[in-house]
Amino acid sequence: AQTVTQSQPEMSVQEAETVTLSCTYDTSENNYYLFWYKQPPSRQMILVIRQEAYKQQNATENRFSVNFQKAAKSFSLKISDSQLGDTAMYFCAFMNQGGSEKLVFGKGTKLTVNP
Amino acid sequence: SAVISQKPSRDICQRGTSLTIQCQVDSQVTMMFWYRQQPGQSLTLIATANQGSEATYESGFVIDKFPISRPNLTFSTLTVSNMSPEDSSIYLCSVTGTENEGQFFGPGTRLTVL
Repeated sequence: AQTVTQSQPEMSVQEAETVTLSCTYDTSENNYYLFWYKQPPSRQMILVIRQEAYKQQNATENRFSVNFQKAAKSFSLKISDSQLGDTAMYFCAFMNQGGSEKLVFGKGTKLTVNP
Repeated sequence: SAVISQKPSRDICQRGTSLTIQCQVDSQVTMMFWYRQQPGQSLTLIATANQGSEATYESGFVIDKFPISRPNLTFSTLTVSNMSPEDSSIYLCSVTGTENEGQFFGPGTRLTVL
């Protein structure tokens, strides 16, 4: 079974600075997808960024980028120019390619952006 | 992406009663998922609901406690039966986009059981 580990329960960053959230996963599969979701206090789950395992290039979405290290099974999220609205829980998630399309979530990292 | 609504958005219930949560999607989807998020915790998959077949439950979740209906490709319900305070959680439904899009989530239902 796949597992996802987020080792940082809480992090904080000053507005406009950069922060990196860590995620590692365990799988025997070769083809899969990885995701970062954001859950603000409104509790709405919002997809931040996704990465296909077969792509070597790291995904980027505006201020959000990932460092995907397939051999190390590592998938960190970098947030640049942090904004107050980035304050939220961030969940790393894994999904096998094909099959049931189930998501396996990490325990989450609570990020606080300070003014 | 899909637009998903859930009803109710929140409820406070007495132990021993049941609550049915509705999930409506603005487009036809094959798979719908129901998750539970206990206070301060991550999301745990309860079951996968496919139209026209029985839901598939994850380990630790049973149909008698969490019956699910999926009458068509845009709608599903989750019932939390014979509730206890331990059932106090946020319940979320989700649907898949294309495979590499992951899942899109509804706004959640916050349930408090007294």
